[in-house]
Parts: sequence; structure tokens; C-alpha cells
Amino acid sequence: QKEVEQNSGPLSVPEGAIASLNCTYSDRGSQSFFWYRQYSGKSPELIMFIYSNGDKEDGRFTAQLNKASQYVSLLIRDSQPSDSATYLCAARSGGSYIPTFGRGTSLIVHP
Amino acid sequence: EPEVTQTPSHQVTQMGQEVILRCVPISNHLYFYWYRQILGQKVEFLVSFYNNEISEKSEIFDDQFSVERPDGSNFTLKIRSTKLEDSAMYFCASLAPGGGEQYFGPGTRLTVT
Repeated sequence: QKEVEQNSGPLSVPEGAIASLNCTYSDRGSQSFFWYRQYSGKSPELIMFIYSNGDKEDGRFTAQLNKASQYVSLLIRDSQPSDSATYLCAARSGGSYIPTFGRGTSLIVHP
Repeated sequence: EPEVTQTPSHQVTQMGQEVILRCVPISNHLYFYWYRQILGQKVEFLVSFYNNEISEKSEIFDDQFSVERPDGSNFTLKIRSTKLEDSAMYFCASLAPGGGEQYFGPGTRLTVT
């Protein structure tokens, strides 16, 4: 059974701080990893994807992947109240086009 | 920017009725998906569709569910006899060429009474 685990939160950070969201996955065959943002009542919106060990940066967002530890994280720099949402981590095995989603971490950025 | 669209945005139906949820994937995408998300729970995979046939399906996707691509643009999910527990958000998604990013539609909120 493929599992993606996330702390449900909420994670509360002040505006301007760095928010750090974490995710672990059980399937060692996972090769692609995705972070989605989901506002309440809305659909998931892709923020970043990462395939290789290390860091990948896109604007205020940095995804970090450590395949040996089966760990993925998302850092949000200079957090804004508009970043308040649930962040979903998803992992996909090589040869599959079906990602497994975590339950998501609720992030609250307070002014 | 191209996007996945879904209709209706909200569907209310009585238990035992049939519903059809509609999606228009992004035009150059080849893999299509249906997911559901029960309120407060995780996004769950239902079915994927490629080359006019089901590619994979989950345990949730039983005989009550079916999918079709009736023409070159629409992709539908039919639930034959709805149950109370089918109440959820249903998301359609399509996969970018190259097998990378998956893009979600806005969802249909299905309420079974």
C-alpha cells in the first residue's frame, strides 16, 4: 500500500516568515513528487514538482527531495496571508501516471 | 492559458438517481483522470483514461461508475445509482504531454440526498 504522510497541522507562521511543510512517502519506487495548494472548496493547484534529489527553487518556493530518507519538503519564503491554504504532497512511481496524495497540511499565515 | 473545465459546478441528486459529470480536458493532453475528495479527506484516485479506454482504476471505481469520451473534447463520469456516500467533490484532471504535470479542473460538488 503506497502511503504519503503529512502532518495535518495547522502550521501557523507570521507574515514574512519561512513556512516549512514536510512529507514522507512509503514507496521506494516513487520517482516524481508534486506539491499542490488547495484553497477551501477549490481544486488542487500545482505549485511545484521535483524528480531529482536536492533542491528546486521557483520564486518564493523551494522543494527539497531526499530519496534515501523518503522525504520531501516545501519551503515558502516571505509567507503571505494569501499563502494560507492546505498544501498537498503527492508521489508517483516510475512507470505510473497515478499520483498518491497525502491528506495535506493546513498553513495559516497571520499578519 | 488553457485549463480543464467541469460542469456542473454543483449537482444535487436523490439517492438512487443517475448523474453524469462532465469535463473538458486541456486539448493537447492525452491522459485524463477522475478523482474525488470527500469533505475533509484526501484526494482519492478513481480512474484514468488513455487512448479511449480505461488505463487504471481504483477499488472505489466499481460497477456503479463508468467513464466515456463521447467526442473529441468531453470526458464524462457517470454514477448509475447514487448513494449518500457518493457525496463529494469530483475533480477531473489531465496530464501534460511528457507525463509531467497534472492539471485539475475546478471540480463538481455532488450532493446526494
